[in-house]
Formats: sequence, structure tokens, C-alpha cells
Amino acid sequence: GAVVSQHPSWVICKSGTSVKIECRSLDFQATTMFWYRQFPKQSLMLMATSNEGSKATYEQGVEKDKFLINHASLTLSTLTVTSAHPEDSSFYICSAADGLQEYSNQPQHFGDGTRLSIL
Amino acid sequence: AQSVTQLGSHVSVSEGALVLLRCNYSSSVPPYLFWYVQYPNQGLQLLLKYTSAATLVKGINGFEAEFKKSETSFHLTKPSAHMSDAAEYFCAVSEKGAQKLVFGQGTRLTINP
Repeated sequence: GAVVSQHPSWVICKSGTSVKIECRSLDFQATTMFWYRQFPKQSLMLMATSNEGSKATYEQGVEKDKFLINHASLTLSTLTVTSAHPEDSSFYICSAADGLQEYSNQPQHFGDGTRLSIL
Repeated sequence: AQSVTQLGSHVSVSEGALVLLRCNYSSSVPPYLFWYVQYPNQGLQLLLKYTSAATLVKGINGFEAEFKKSETSFHLTKPSAHMSDAAEYFCAVSEKGAQKLVFGQGTRLTINP
């Protein structure tokens, strides 16, 4: 149980295009999902907290207009990188915790990540 | 504010040897602590978690960790390393009532044959 599916796993696109990444909780409901960015050989950096039915909460220094987050249902959150540039190239990972439990007592379950390469 | 420090960005052990990955945390309230493993080009997989129950926590793949409040530590151990244990390991902390995880910098574990 507790599977999080992230799609696509790898995307290459030209500079200036927008890219959408999907994160789905397959067998549980998640009122909150998280989006992380990971640079090579570094730790995960929390970008934003995605809340179902409301606006996402962004971490300091993360551009809201660059990284659009939508959490339209209890099982789906999307991250859209708008007008992507080479510096946006990175590994993006989403996670979710079972929304029916005390949040911090339950581990977050992670997707397999999306490697984004902007040419 | 919470923080996590993983001592040693790279640990190398021989197959069959003891694995010890160090994690120290800082938290103003009783923490919840987690160890995750990451294989190349993949997300994170939960190894084990401490949520204020038993201080010695057993996880998957033979790993365990001990919560020591006096030392603010949560070191990860495995008695006998296997080649398949080679991966990146992350220690993380969250505060009760909060979902946000704070990760350490990670420790890359290499297993020598």
C-alpha cells in the first residue's frame, strides 16, 4: 500500500516551453502533497506544500509564477514549470502522507521523481 | 527550528561488515525521525521511523536505528552489509503536528566486495 505515482519519469524539452508533472496517490487520499527539488548529489529541497482545494504554500525563494501547483483532488497534484530554462533542469520529487492519519506520525511516501532537462 | 546533520557524506564498508550511518537532530519539541533510502534516479523509500514509541526501531532490509535523546542522535545501523545496500541514505525530522520534513544532506553508502 501507500503508493505514489509520478509522471513523467524523464522529460527533455526546449527552453521556453512549459512542463507539467503529475503526482498521484494510488491507494490512499492525500489532502497534502509536497514538491521537492534535488540537485545532483545533494539533499531534497522542499519547494512547496500542495493543499487540496486551496493555494499551495511556497518556501522562501521559490518563484510562485515559475512553479505552478494545482491540487484539484485528494489523489492528484500537478507541478507546472512555466517557461522553463536550463537552470530549471533538476530532479523533481513529490510526496504524500495518508490524509486520514495524524500527519507527522505517518511517513511521507515518495514518487520516483521526474528528471527534467531543458535544452 | 528543526535541523538534521548527517556526519559523513560518504561511507564505505566491506560486504559483510557493520554499517553505521550517523544522524544528529535539533528540535525544540519531541521529534519524529525517519530514515529514507534513495537508489539512483528514484524517489525515496522509507526504511524506518521513530514516533515516540520504542527507542530502538527496526526497519526493512535488516536496518535499525536507536533514538538517543541525551545525544540528540538517531544513527542507522545494519550488522552485515550487502552489495544491494549501496545507495544514498537520508535522515529526516518532523515536529509533532507538522507534516513538513527537514532532511539531512545525505550519506552515500558504498559497499566494497
